[in-house]
Amino acid sequence: GAVVSQHPSWVICKSGTSVKIECRSLDFQATTMFWYRQFPKQSLMLMATSNEGSKATYEQGVEKDKFLINHASLTLSTLTVTSAHPEDSSFYICSAGTGRSTEAFFGQGTRLTVV
Amino acid sequence: GQNIDQPTEMTATEGAIVQINCTYQTSGFNGLFWYQQHAGEAPTFLSYNVLDGLEEKGRFSSFLSRSKGYSYLLLKELQMKDSASYLCAVMDSNYQLIWGAGTKLIIKP
Repeated sequence: GAVVSQHPSWVICKSGTSVKIECRSLDFQATTMFWYRQFPKQSLMLMATSNEGSKATYEQGVEKDKFLINHASLTLSTLTVTSAHPEDSSFYICSAGTGRSTEAFFGQGTRLTVV
Repeated sequence: GQNIDQPTEMTATEGAIVQINCTYQTSGFNGLFWYQQHAGEAPTFLSYNVLDGLEEKGRFSSFLSRSKGYSYLLLKELQMKDSASYLCAVMDSNYQLIWGAGTKLIIKP
């Protein structure tokens, strides 16, 4: 199956700093990438959808100036958590699709802890 | 609004069979997915149904009834490693995935 690589797997950062998470599709061109956040014991919450070469579409309640998404190429999307605070600590997961594919390919996830 | 319902938690015995139900109400339908998620890990794909009926894949089977807005995931010959959360997700008319909250499955020896 298709492979999506997400990096880093875990990161600890100080409050007020920024963290960048990368999501790469290794063996296919991902026209669409999805970024999710998952708090403990809760389901995935879609944060934003990004299409290559265009601005991301953010879900209601997600601050676009805080969670910067860049999808500059068909194989790479990045999520930058700016001025991170402890309440941003969560599990962040990306998934990639080829537009109207029938399967979402997930990255391994990134556990962010803000101290 | 769009809604996916599945039980919060289920318990079963090793070697037994368990059925996890999922009901949905969405804007359009382009398929239903089941994912397995172990704690601290990303979800892994289990099955995809877009037509009514049963899809069997080894110990796991998934059933869909579009007229009833209903699906189930059937796990046979349960193993301890099957302890995980099982997520039901529906792809709506915009090809967006709508996720259920997940069912935590606990397997006891």
